[in-house]
Amino acid sequence: QKEVEQNSGPLSVPEGAIASLNCTYSDRGSQSFFWYRQYSGKSPELIMSIYSNGDKEDGRFTAQLNKASQYVSLLIRDSQPSDSATYLCAVIHVNFGNEKLTFGTGTRLTIIP
Amino acid sequence: EPEVTQTPSHQVTQMGQEVILRCVPISNHLYFYWYRQILGQKVEFLVSFYNNEISEKSEIFDDQFSVERPDGSNFTLKIRSTKLEDSAMYFCASKKGPWDNEKLFFGSGTQLSVL
Repeated sequence: QKEVEQNSGPLSVPEGAIASLNCTYSDRGSQSFFWYRQYSGKSPELIMSIYSNGDKEDGRFTAQLNKASQYVSLLIRDSQPSDSATYLCAVIHVNFGNEKLTFGTGTRLTIIP
Repeated sequence: EPEVTQTPSHQVTQMGQEVILRCVPISNHLYFYWYRQILGQKVEFLVSFYNNEISEKSEIFDDQFSVERPDGSNFTLKIRSTKLEDSAMYFCASKKGPWDNEKLFFGSGTQLSVL
């Protein structure tokens, strides 16, 4: 069973601070990693993708990948109340050429004004 | 931005009834997926579909489930005899190509309630 693990939270962060979200995965062969944001009752929305070790920055978001430790993280700088949502870590597993996106349980983030 | 469209947004059915959830993927996309999310739980993969056949399915996708692309635009998920535990939000998703760096577009979901 390929697992993606996240701390379910809730994680509370003051407005303007940095929110740090973490994820570990079990399949060492995974190659592609994603962070989705999901507002309550809505569909997941892709905010970051990362494929190689190191950092990737996009605006206020930075994704970090460490394949040796099987660890992915997301940093949100200058957190805004609109960032309050559940953040889903997702990993692609490839099985005989067929790929499947596997989600973690998500971390609920609340930004406190 | 192009959208994946799902109908209905809410579906209420009696246990044992058949339901069909409908999706219109983005027009030039070739890879199609169904996911579900039980309230408070994670988004779970159900099935992937390409070239008019199932590519992969999860343990959840048993004989009660089927998928079809009947007319080249719609992509449907049928549950033959619904159970209480089928109550969930069902998401359709599509993408253009097989590469894992292609963006996966999700529909807004169908909330299925089985009574």
